[in-house]
Amino acid sequence: ETGVTQTPRHLVMGMTNKKSLKCEQHLGHNAMYWYKQSAKKPLELMFVYSLEERVENNSVPSRFSPECPNSSHLFLHLHTLQPEDSALYLCASSQESWAHREVETQYFGPGTRLLVL
Amino acid sequence: QKEVEQDPGPLSVPEGAIVSLNCTYSNSAFQYFMWYRQYSRKGPELLMYTYSSGNKEDGRFTAQVDKSSKYISLFIRDSQPSDSATYLCAIGPGAQKLVFGQGTRLTINP
Repeated sequence: ETGVTQTPRHLVMGMTNKKSLKCEQHLGHNAMYWYKQSAKKPLELMFVYSLEERVENNSVPSRFSPECPNSSHLFLHLHTLQPEDSALYLCASSQESWAHREVETQYFGPGTRLLVL
Repeated sequence: QKEVEQDPGPLSVPEGAIVSLNCTYSNSAFQYFMWYRQYSRKGPELLMYTYSSGNKEDGRFTAQVDKSSKYISLFIRDSQPSDSATYLCAIGPGAQKLVFGQGTRLTINP
């Protein structure tokens, strides 16, 4: 496997279900991200982990719970979701650099398309 | 006012045309300017980036940043049907704090 992988690619769940999305990066990066992409809306940053510590949480509802057990894996635990949570959930990773002129390119996975019924 | 504004299109042009895609932003502190391309059912992939200001060229693609106008552009020369995708601008004060535009859906007609 290369790059950033996400499983499952598609998920249908009811509002009372609990499910988890998984992301794995094979790039040796030290930062990982969860984004939400809804139709006709910009990508919304949900969570950022740097060196396995959460550094950003953009006021995401508590029904979304991230977990970063190590620098290569990122999970998004879902419970009691709402239909408006249906979207494409994208994971990304990057190599954080303290050389300000370096660009820490974010590499995206293919996403998990989630439908909440 | 949104931090980053991008016309969602759709934009449809004939093969071989020059395509111009644009975004405006509101925060003068933003220094990272990126363009991503997203094909249907795929994640975004980085096309071009610029740090701070200036122009950058890579093959048929040219990225321009005008910080005085808070305006960035992506030009595609000799457009090909394979360029048909959604193009996202991403701008921010740091590479971990990117604000994405809505994306412009582009179709190149053979």
